[in-house]
Amino acid sequence: SQTIHQWPATLVQPVGSPLSLECTVEGTSNPNLYWYRQAAGRGLQLLFYSVGIGQISSEVPQNLSASRPQDRQFILSSKKLLLSDSGFYLCAWSRTGYEKLFFGSGTQLSVL
Amino acid sequence: KNEVEQSPQNLTAQEGEFITINCSYSVGISALHWLQQHPGGGIVSLFMLSSGKKKHGRLIATINIQEKHSSLHITASHPRDSAVYICAVNDMRFGAGTRLTVKP
Repeated sequence: SQTIHQWPATLVQPVGSPLSLECTVEGTSNPNLYWYRQAAGRGLQLLFYSVGIGQISSEVPQNLSASRPQDRQFILSSKKLLLSDSGFYLCAWSRTGYEKLFFGSGTQLSVL
Repeated sequence: KNEVEQSPQNLTAQEGEFITINCSYSVGISALHWLQQHPGGGIVSLFMLSSGKKKHGRLIATINIQEKHSSLHITASHPRDSAVYICAVNDMRFGAGTRLTVKP
């Protein structure tokens, strides 16, 4: 069966510090991978998606970047965090763009 | 105007009631998702629709492609159904969510 791992669950970082959130998927190959953010009191927003290794599409210009160094690994990064980067970050995968989404457990990021 | 509109924003029901949550969208779609988010933040995918109707237990999801509208129905609602229900189009565009509270 397929599983998705996302860590850490919570993270408190100072403004200006770097960020690296990692997501890995097991039990499938060549998944579509997604990073979403949910700011406090707001809806989900797609940040990045990837259909293959090294292929990253960005939906919203921002202080963040994503990389897919391996087929089932998706990393969200920032060189310098802003206060506005605070939020709940979710990684997800699907077999294609036309199938169910499966979400990780999320990372609550607080930038202080 | 948002590309994905959900209604109502908040919904309170008594246990056992039939519940309907609506989603209208303005973009062309390949797939529409209904998601459930519990208070801890975790999200579970309930349905993925491209046409017609799907049923899973007490949950039913329908979509009308011509009218660009989808509904999520919960029959015989239960307090454990209390959650935020989110409509998503094409993995990329999300409604603001409907917060459902079912009282015993």
